[in-house]
Amino acid sequence: EAQVTQNPRYLITVTGKKLTVTCSQNMNHEYMSWYRQDPGLGLRQIYYSMNVEVTDKGDVPEGYKVSRKEKRNFPLILESPSPNQTSLYFCASSSSGEGDTQYFGPGTRLTVL
Amino acid sequence: QQQVKQSPQSLIVQKGGISIINCAYENTAFDYFPWYQQFPGKGPALLIAIRPDVSEKKEGRFTISFNKSAKQFSLHIMDSQPGDSATYFCAASDRYALNFGKGTSLLVTP
Repeated sequence: EAQVTQNPRYLITVTGKKLTVTCSQNMNHEYMSWYRQDPGLGLRQIYYSMNVEVTDKGDVPEGYKVSRKEKRNFPLILESPSPNQTSLYFCASSSSGEGDTQYFGPGTRLTVL
Repeated sequence: QQQVKQSPQSLIVQKGGISIINCAYENTAFDYFPWYQQFPGKGPALLIAIRPDVSEKKEGRFTISFNKSAKQFSLHIMDSQPGDSATYFCAASDRYALNFGKGTSLLVTP
């Protein structure tokens, strides 16, 4: 089954404790992206990747890191999480990115205390 | 800054009625305009999309109307059903960045 998977689905952590949210797709997509969803703000893009070793900032990249060492994986790293990063995070992938359908993962709900 | 403005924030429609959600954008470089549907606890899923070379696209009960000169586009849901109750996001794309509106929470009452 074609899908985007994220782990963990739920995470409660404390300020400053480094964490990684994994994202994997099995559709051989070149493009992958991370979004955060906050009430009243919609979905905002954090980072995206056009292919292996090619990443770029989205609208809200501060406090986040990403890497794309393999085509299927695109982890999101919070090196020193803060409470304002409490949010619902979505990973997405698409064939090429430009004007293509983006397939979203199920989401990761992160709470930073 | 929000590159895509979406209204209304919430909408209540009776079963069988027409739901209309509007979006506006400023960046004329946008060339792909998708609508996503999101149910509680799920990720958004593509509903329908349009490119600026056409003024309307219809798929079943869902229609996008696109006005390039006004830089506006809208989603019409005909014969709205309770199963359509969800959050709807419009978006606009310029190459690799997908810019979303803030979303519209639609409730279709029986």
